[in-house]
Amino acid sequence: SQTIHQWPATLVQPVGSPLSLECTVEGTSNPNLYWYRQAAGRGLQLLFYSVGIGQISSEVPQNLSASRPQDRQFILSSKKLLLSDSGFYLCAWSFSVGAFFGQGTRLTVV
Amino acid sequence: TQLLEQSPQFLSIQEGENLTVYCNSSSVFSSLQWYRQEPGEGPVLLVTVVTGGEVKKLKRLTFQFGDARKDSSLHITAAQPGDTGLYLCAGSYNDYKLSFGAGTTVTVRA
Repeated sequence: SQTIHQWPATLVQPVGSPLSLECTVEGTSNPNLYWYRQAAGRGLQLLFYSVGIGQISSEVPQNLSASRPQDRQFILSSKKLLLSDSGFYLCAWSFSVGAFFGQGTRLTVV
Repeated sequence: TQLLEQSPQFLSIQEGENLTVYCNSSSVFSSLQWYRQEPGEGPVLLVTVVTGGEVKKLKRLTFQFGDARKDSSLHITAAQPGDTGLYLCAGSYNDYKLSFGAGTTVTVRA
């Protein structure tokens, strides 16, 4: 069966520090992968999606970047975090009729 | 950018009552999904609808896709406290990009 792992679950980082969130998928090959950010109790904002290794589409200009070094690995990064980067980050992979999500990372920038 | 509008934003009802949540867009979607999310967790897929006019039932939940594939509704019959959560609709108009509505927070009081 397919599973998706996302870590860490929570993270507190100072302003100006780097960020690396990792997401891996098991049980499927060549998945479409996504990074979303969610404000408290609200919908999901699509940040990046990838349809294959090295293929990244950015949805909104921001302080973040994404990479896909392997088929089932998707990484969200920042060189210098801003206070506004705080939020709940979700990784997902999709199949033809839906998406599976990781457990999310609660990022607090202080 | 395809925008999905959900209404209402908040809904609080007594156990045993019925409720309906709406999802509307100006775009035609190839498929539309409904997710339920609990605090601190990733959304969980409830259903996918792909055919205009389609109606799907999942126990006490009834999902409908509009004839023009631009809108959908989620109806819960005899709501229970376990139905409490954030309900999100999401639409895909190609195979890659999945966009979410802002969500409806449902609270069912015992």
